[in-house]
Amino acid sequence: AQSVAQPEDQVNVAEGNPLTVKCTYSVSGNPYLFWYVQYPNRGLQFLLKYITGDNLVKGSYGFEAEFNKSQTSFHLKKPSALVSDSALYFCAVRLNTDKLIFGTGTRLQVFP
Amino acid sequence: GAVVSQHPSRVICKSGTSVKIECRSLDFQATTMFWYRQFPKKSLMLMATSNEGSKATYEQGVEKDKFLINHASLTLSTLTVTSAHPEDSSFYICSSRLAGVLDTQYFGPGTRLTVL
Repeated sequence: AQSVAQPEDQVNVAEGNPLTVKCTYSVSGNPYLFWYVQYPNRGLQFLLKYITGDNLVKGSYGFEAEFNKSQTSFHLKKPSALVSDSALYFCAVRLNTDKLIFGTGTRLQVFP
Repeated sequence: GAVVSQHPSRVICKSGTSVKIECRSLDFQATTMFWYRQFPKKSLMLMATSNEGSKATYEQGVEKDKFLINHASLTLSTLTVTSAHPEDSSFYICSSRLAGVLDTQYFGPGTRLTVL
């Protein structure tokens, strides 16, 4: 079955430190991978996507993600975290049918 | 990026009544819209895929007679929760797929439904 896993419910990081939010996937064929961020009582905001090409994808707000085919991972990263980055982050994979399958979400907490 | 709006942002209704939620793509035409449901501290669950001018495709386990979806134009889709019950209380989020750009969905801000 095709799926997306976010192994960490919560990630805590101090402001200014690098952050990583993990995502692994299991799909047949070439994956289309996405990261979205959700602030409280809000919809999802698109951060970045990997379709093809360079494995390192740069997105909004200084975030980037690295596609690793051998490890079937698409971890989200940022070199220097901000308190305002605190939110719920979702990894998603698009199926051939155009549907998105979401991971369970990871809450990022950045402490001042 | 593309802008998607939802109305209302919050609604409280009595059990047994029906509630309509609108989803609009404000600056682009959306041939396909999606409706999701999100439970507290949980991920998004796809309810249905809505294509302009045709019937919606519902996911397994979603009652099509309870969650009526209409996609009458390229910029508007509506979700009507009929005969709402407390267990229908949830956060409903729509998304629109930009026509000609198959891979990216843009999400609305969500609607918090509370059924008393």
